[in-house]
Amino acid sequence: KNEVEQSPQNLTAQEGEFITINCSYSVGISALHWLQQHPGGGIVSLFMLSSGKKKHGRLIATINIQEKHSSLHITASHPRDSAVYICAVFDTDKLIFGTGTRLQVFP
Amino acid sequence: DGGITQSPKYLFRKEGQNVTLSCEQNLNHDAMYWYRQDPGQGLRLIYYSQIVNDFQKGDIAEGYSVSREKKESFPLTVTSAQKNPTAFYLCASRSLSSLGGYTFGSGTRLTVV
Repeated sequence: KNEVEQSPQNLTAQEGEFITINCSYSVGISALHWLQQHPGGGIVSLFMLSSGKKKHGRLIATINIQEKHSSLHITASHPRDSAVYICAVFDTDKLIFGTGTRLQVFP
Repeated sequence: DGGITQSPKYLFRKEGQNVTLSCEQNLNHDAMYWYRQDPGQGLRLIYYSQIVNDFQKGDIAEGYSVSREKKESFPLTVTSAQKNPTAFYLCASRSLSSLGGYTFGSGTRLTVV
């Protein structure tokens, strides 16, 4: 079993829909990252959080430390949100990555 | 602007040749990391360095080598001993004084033919 599990693996949506991507982990962590990878391959860090909730524009990330679960929400989705979203947990001195959720938003 | 520069973006090499991937950062970050990404798998750690002239093996170090002669630079050499070198390689860095806070490069896609 992977230490970081994401669901769903693939997600398609119509423009304007509310999107939720889930991440569950089995190790003790000090922080959790949500990352965005565009088709070109480069990765952008969206959020780093260790408790509660963070919001940036149309993106919201939440984490429940007791349940070892985090969610990434995208409100009013847009085709430019199409990308792979990766959850990664920071364990001691390294990141452990999920396999990613491929999101496609159609106009 | 500060950031990480990886070059080249695409690289083709013949089987049996060593190849070196470049990673440079101007963020004054202490630690630098190399990851490998294969389809359907999460990124896996190859090597990392937290200080100049020192580095540690990650989970899949076999067939790879690194150096850290300068704080800004952490090149990765894919040697002929790496059995399956075709992959996407990502470099990252972070300041050890901050919790997490990784910055990622744009990656190098290596194809060995």
